Amino acid sequence: DTAVSQTPKYLVTQMGNDKSIKCEQNLGHDTMYWYKQDSKKFLKIMFSYNNKELIINETVPNRFSPKSPDKAHLNLHINSLELGDSAVYFCASSPSNTEAFFGQGTRLTVV
Amino acid sequence: AQSVTQLGSHVSVSEGALVLLRCNYSSSVPPYLFWYVQYPNQGLQLLLKYTTGATLVKGINGFEAEFKKSETSFHLTKPSAHMSDAAEYFCAVVYGGATNKLIFGTGTLLAVQP
Repeated sequence: DTAVSQTPKYLVTQMGNDKSIKCEQNLGHDTMYWYKQDSKKFLKIMFSYNNKELIINETVPNRFSPKSPDKAHLNLHINSLELGDSAVYFCASSPSNTEAFFGQGTRLTVV
Repeated sequence: AQSVTQLGSHVSVSEGALVLLRCNYSSSVPPYLFWYVQYPNQGLQLLLKYTTGATLVKGINGFEAEFKKSETSFHLTKPSAHMSDAAEYFCAVVYGGATNKLIFGTGTLLAVQP
């Protein structure tokens, strides 16, 4: 029933580990995003995919690699995690140049 | 650079009082404009949006916003605050083109006092 779902909701891991966050939308939207929300609540776009094609990559370290196997899924893999990667990561989708629909977020804590 | 500014990172009102959260955008071309609300430990929920047409838009939970091109503003209002309105509010813009890039303001934390 959930429109945009991401897993896991919480992720605690050690520095240097590799982790993935999965996202799925059942809204039939063509565009999906990853946003990062820092400790000050600031939301910054990381990536945007349109029909499985990367269209926005906002100077994100190449330790972050998005993968879109189909237009309903956009996963985020992070290599060699660092303390500064701790944040809440939001997946979102949108039909066009209109509003985005957000998942519940994944709180990543790197220790 | 394209940006959106929210004046006031914290706003406190009494229950029943008017809520006014400010948002200004920087563009000579009117963008699409949005207000989102984020409750603690939740995702973002769309309150309302302006794309074209009527400049006063009504959203959920009694909120409304008015697009004023001359002032490049899209302030959010609610006539009477309720305790359940306490949350973080984000103004966001899409400047069009093919990129579908939603740019957020820094957010305003609304506190509602009994």
